Amino acid sequence: DTGVSQNPRHKITKRGQNVTFRCDPISEHNRLYWYRQTLGQGPEFLTYFQNEAQLEKSRLLSDRFSAERPKGSFSTLEIQRTEQGDSAMYLCASILLRDRRTDTQYFGPGTRLTVL
Amino acid sequence: AQSVAQPEDQVNVAEGNPLTVKCTYSVSGNPYLFWYVQYPNRGLQFLLKYITGDNLVKGSYGFEAEFNKSQTSFHLKKPSALVSDSALYFCAVRDGNRDDKIIFGKGTRLHILP
Repeated sequence: DTGVSQNPRHKITKRGQNVTFRCDPISEHNRLYWYRQTLGQGPEFLTYFQNEAQLEKSRLLSDRFSAERPKGSFSTLEIQRTEQGDSAMYLCASILLRDRRTDTQYFGPGTRLTVL
Repeated sequence: AQSVAQPEDQVNVAEGNPLTVKCTYSVSGNPYLFWYVQYPNRGLQFLLKYITGDNLVKGSYGFEAEFNKSQTSFHLKKPSALVSDSALYFCAVRDGNRDDKIIFGKGTRLHILP
């Protein structure tokens, strides 16, 4: 088990372009989270999935953002018509939720997005 | 709604001295509390958690944290700091009575002086 992986690690794009990030969770982890982290701040919750179902979306997730986890394994986060304010580190985390006591989130290395 | 406060943006400690990184929380249900560490250009690494039981929780790399219900605190401690402990530390909380997300503090930068 190699942990949570994210691709790409870095993405530079021009304002107005669309970008897509991928997260591969730890194998068999049933819950997957997306966070955004800006400089000097802690991770801010964006959305999470239980298997393939998207259970909650933050108000931070505008209609330009969409996330999917089609087969309950990997997940993608797409940002349409990127803005400079979207520049941040996008973190993915996964857990195997068997009961609430065991929910330690394991994080990927993140995708750093820079919008020019 | 739950929240976390880390009152110090930065903590400076001499190598070999004990360190404390402060965290207070607010949650309506039972608190599940976590500490994570982040090194430059890396994701977050789990250090320790409190769910229930002993108020003193021991974690990775010699770190420990003490849950104090009356003060709603969960301070991170280490008896003897190493230069390699220099990093960004995040406290996080989850409402244990709800199937909910984890909320993070804004982080404290720990700087260990050689």
